[in-house]
Amino acid sequence: QVQLQQSGPGLVKPSQTLSLTCAISGDSVSSNSAAWNWIRQSPSRGLEWLGRTYYRSKWYNDYAVSVKSRITINPDTSKNQFSLQLNSVTPEDTAVYFCAREGEGMGTAFDIWGQGTMVTVSS
Amino acid sequence: QSALTQPPSASGSPGQSVTISCTGTNSDVGGYNYVSWYQQHPGKAPKVMIHEVSKRPSGVPDRFSGSKSGNTASLTVSGLQAEDEADYYCSSYAGSNNWVFGGGTKLTVL
Repeated sequence: QVQLQQSGPGLVKPSQTLSLTCAISGDSVSSNSAAWNWIRQSPSRGLEWLGRTYYRSKWYNDYAVSVKSRITINPDTSKNQFSLQLNSVTPEDTAVYFCAREGEGMGTAFDIWGQGTMVTVSS
Repeated sequence: QSALTQPPSASGSPGQSVTISCTGTNSDVGGYNYVSWYQQHPGKAPKVMIHEVSKRPSGVPDRFSGSKSGNTASLTVSGLQAEDEADYYCSSYAGSNNWVFGGGTKLTVL
C-alpha cells in the first residue's frame, strides 16, 4: 500500500523560501514508472499543478510556467522522498500543498496523494 | 481563474443520476485523452475517480463514469448516494508537460 507523508512548516514569512518534504512508503522515488508531483489548492486559484520529478534512466523535472523561476523539486533517494522549495513567497502562495504520485497504468492521473499541508505566508 | 470550466454546483436526489461538465480547449481536454476526475471531501485530499477520460481505478464504484466530446468532458454519477456528496474536480494534460484543473463542482445529494 503506497502512502505519502508530508512534513514542513505551516508558516513562512514573505520573501522567504517555502520548503516541504514528501516521504514515500510502498514505492520508490526512483521508480521507472511513476512521477512525483506537487499540487496546491487555494480558494483564489483552485487546484494548481506546480511541478514534478521522475526517473527514466536519469532524473527529469517539469515545472509550471507560473512558478518556474521560483521552484525546485528534488528527489532524495537515500530517504526515499522528494521535496519542494518555492522561493520569494508572497501571500499569494498561501495554500494547501499536496504531494501526489502519477502511477503506472493511470495515464497522467494522480492516484496517491499526501495528507496536505496548509502553508500560510505572513509576517 | 481555473483553466477548465466546471459548473459551481450540481445536485440530485438519492438514486438519481447527475452529470458534471468540464470544458476546456483544443490544447487540453480536446487535444488529449488524459482527462481525470477527482472527488474531494472537506478537509481531505482529492481521490481519483476516473482517469484517461473513462477508466475507473480499482475500488471506484461503477456508478461513476466518464466521457468526452470535443473540448468537453463529463462525469456522470448514477444511483446517487449520500456519500457521493463532495467537491469534484476535472483535470487534463495540457501539453508541454503541464496539467490544468477545473474550478470544482460542489455536488449536493438532496
